[in-house]
Amino acid sequence: DSGVTQTPKHLITATGQRVTLRCSPRSGDLSVYWYQQSLDQGLQFLIQYYNGEERAKGNILERFSAQQFPDLHSELNLSSLELGDSALYFCASSVGAVGEQYFGPGTRLTVT
Amino acid sequence: GQQVMQIPQYQHVQEGEDFTTYCNSSTTLSNIQWYKQRPGGHPVFLIQLVKSGEVKKQKRLTFQFGEAKKNSSLHITATQTTDVGTYFCAGFGGTASKLTFGTGTRLQVTL
Repeated sequence: DSGVTQTPKHLITATGQRVTLRCSPRSGDLSVYWYQQSLDQGLQFLIQYYNGEERAKGNILERFSAQQFPDLHSELNLSSLELGDSALYFCASSVGAVGEQYFGPGTRLTVT
Repeated sequence: GQQVMQIPQYQHVQEGEDFTTYCNSSTTLSNIQWYKQRPGGHPVFLIQLVKSGEVKKQKRLTFQFGEAKKNSSLHITATQTTDVGTYFCAGFGGTASKLTFGTGTRLQVTL
């Protein structure tokens, strides 16, 4: 158990819908990262927040947005969902702005 | 942008054989990290290398950072079935202030 929690574990929704994925970092960690992993694919970095501020951005679609709240938990919002958005979404956290990352168990999103 | 490639993409070995995965970056890295993801699981941090030419060992695993800080390798001696999974390297550096994950090497170990 990494100490990073993600909810929900599974999500099934239809195309065009909007969903919110939630992540709670390890106690004391200030950074939260979001990654997308499609079937048999690598980890695609989406976005990083550090202490409430956006720190780095990867290949995040305009239909996706995220935020980190004052209690440091983070939410990833995915809208106008397409079939291709079906994937495993991981959240990770680290103590500082860089350094080893601890991953949560992931949220498996299925868009039908 | 920064790209990190790993070879091989997949390797199947008999238990007891050695295994090596190689990681190559298009840009110079300030550090490199290695993660392992078991089937159905999430990535787990293994180690971080920072210095040019650095070599670190964890039991049967040996990690190396190249002299030019653009490549790295992970060598497993005498593989066991518990080594099954996908090994990712992840590099930090270049103009991007983010960790770029490699493409991963999936290791299968059979008896």
